[in-house]
Amino acid sequence: AQTVTQSQPEMSVQEAETVTLSCTYDTSENNYYLFWYKQPPSRQMILVIRQEAYKQQNATENRFSVNFQKAAKSFSLKISDSQLGDTAMYFCAFMKDSGGSNYKLTFGKGTLLTVNP
Amino acid sequence: NAGVTQTPKFQVLKTGQSMTLQCAQDMNHNSMYWYRQDPGMGLRLIYYSASEGTTDKGEVPNGYNVSRLNKREFSLRLESAAPSQTSVYFCASSADDSWGETQYFGPGTRLLVL
Repeated sequence: AQTVTQSQPEMSVQEAETVTLSCTYDTSENNYYLFWYKQPPSRQMILVIRQEAYKQQNATENRFSVNFQKAAKSFSLKISDSQLGDTAMYFCAFMKDSGGSNYKLTFGKGTLLTVNP
Repeated sequence: NAGVTQTPKFQVLKTGQSMTLQCAQDMNHNSMYWYRQDPGMGLRLIYYSASEGTTDKGEVPNGYNVSRLNKREFSLRLESAAPSQTSVYFCASSADDSWGETQYFGPGTRLLVL
């Protein structure tokens, strides 16, 4: 079974600064997807960014980027120019090819990020 | 385009009572999912439906049943609620045309079982 570990239960950052959230995973699969989801106080789960394991280039979405190290099984999220609206719980998630037509997500326990003014 | 909607937003039950959580999506997605989120934990998959007419167990199915009513709707039923089922429940959907499809989540239902 796959496991996803987020070793930082809580983090804080000053507005406009950069912060990195860590995620490691354990799998024997070679092909898979990795995701970062954001859950603000509204509890809505929002996709932040995704990475295909077969792509060496790190994914970026505006102020959000990842550092994907496949050999180390590491998938960290970097948030640049942090904004107050980035305050949320961030979940790292893993998806493997389950062999059927349906693909399941395995989530980490989350990192609570607080952006301070 | 509302995406994924869930009803109710909040519910209090007594032990032994039953209830059904409703989920609907308007994105013409084939696959739908039910997750639960407990304090200090990530989301865990309860049941999923790869396509209309099919359902399968996820990681924590005990105490739950599901119905894929049609392509849009996927309900989760608690036949005899227990305090251990106090949680926040999320419904999600995805198109299943290719591996790695993004799942889109509803706003969640907070359930308290006394």
